Amino acid sequence: KQEVTQIPAALSVPEGENLVLNCSFTDSAIYNLQWFRQDPGKGLTSLLLIQSSQREQTSGRLNASLDKSSGRSTLYIAASQPGDSATYLCAVYSGNTGKLIFGQGTTLQVKP
Amino acid sequence: DTGVSQNPRHKITKRGQNVTFRCDPISEHNRLYWYRQTLGQGPEFLTYFQNEAQLEKSRLLSDRFSAERPKGSFSTLEIQRTEQGDSAMYLCASSFPSDTQYFGPGTRLTVL
Repeated sequence: KQEVTQIPAALSVPEGENLVLNCSFTDSAIYNLQWFRQDPGKGLTSLLLIQSSQREQTSGRLNASLDKSSGRSTLYIAASQPGDSATYLCAVYSGNTGKLIFGQGTTLQVKP
Repeated sequence: DTGVSQNPRHKITKRGQNVTFRCDPISEHNRLYWYRQTLGQGPEFLTYFQNEAQLEKSRLLSDRFSAERPKGSFSTLEIQRTEQGDSAMYLCASSFPSDTQYFGPGTRLTVL
């Protein structure tokens, strides 16, 4: 059974700092991995999708990496801003249906 | 707006009542997913449609839950005889196969 874990559960950093969020999964036979952002009481916004054949994806100040063999993904946020404050969720695509298995999320606070 | 929409956004009901939620996916997407998210947790998969066919249901989806997607367009999720444990955010997502899932804003259910 696929399980996804995110560490840390919460993180507080000063504005401008570079940071790394971690995601690990137990079954390396994944299709894709997706990172999402969720603001309080809101739905999920897709940040990056990494296909199983890829090692990393970049979008602006965000860079996500994938190491299937070790069951790990990281989300790197450069030059953090207060507007980056949110919960970040990692999810693994499972099986032919493409259903997502989510971690519990990392809640990030960027202080001005 | 061509994103995923969900209605209602909020629903308060008394224990034992029936409730129905609606999801309108992105028009060209043939895959539709329902997830449930409780406070402080990542979303959990409930069920999946490809076009009008419901192809997978989670064990979380008890007999009180039913989902439909007539004509492969919008989908409804009905909960009969609601319980306090059903209080959660219900999220809908749509996609093409092997592609990014796009989420709606969710329906927050409170059962009193």
